[in-house]
Amino acid sequence: KNEVEQSPQNLTAQEGEFITINCSYSVGISALHWLQQHPGGGIVSLFMLSSGKKKHGRLIATINIQEKHSSLHITASHPRDSAVYICAVRFSGGYQKVTFGTGTKLQVIP
Amino acid sequence: EAQVTQNPRYLITVTGKKLTVTCSQNMNHEYMSWYRQDPGLGLRQIYYSMNVEVTDKGDVPEGYKVSRKEKRNFPLILESPSPNQTSLYFCASSPLAGGPRETQYFGPGTRLLVL
Repeated sequence: KNEVEQSPQNLTAQEGEFITINCSYSVGISALHWLQQHPGGGIVSLFMLSSGKKKHGRLIATINIQEKHSSLHITASHPRDSAVYICAVRFSGGYQKVTFGTGTKLQVIP
Repeated sequence: EAQVTQNPRYLITVTGKKLTVTCSQNMNHEYMSWYRQDPGLGLRQIYYSMNVEVTDKGDVPEGYKVSRKEKRNFPLILESPSPNQTSLYFCASSPLAGGPRETQYFGPGTRLLVL
């Protein structure tokens, strides 16, 4: 079964801390997405990765294809980073289905 | 403004009364998809479409229908809604999956309650 697991489920951090959220998957993939869901419910795509590393502002996403693992890092965290972060995977094999992790709820305290 | 729109945003209905949730995008995207989000289960894919007249099942298609007659629209149809379809629904679109521009744009969500 194609599965996606995220950790931790919940994370509380002090403002300024370096944060890491992890995503592991069970079989080969074509693409991995990191999404951010705000408390109001809206979902925004942060990154799409198929290899290597991407950076946007204070956010960094990495993927290790051999280990079937991706990480999302937030540097110098801020209360406005408080949200649910979701990993989504499109498994390889010619299919266009998308499977999601259950999300990591992040709260950054001032 | 590039966007994905969904209507209605909130809907309360009764068991068995057919309903349609519309989804429209103005970015000329080939790929469109419907997801539902439930507490403890996260997001799950219902149906997706690679282009006009091309649709396929996601992980939870039972009780839903879709159609893609125009590139911009991808309505979700519940022929006979049941209480277990109470959920938060998201539509999303992206350029064709597999390319470097594969980024999903999500609609604002439709909160459905089936009594």
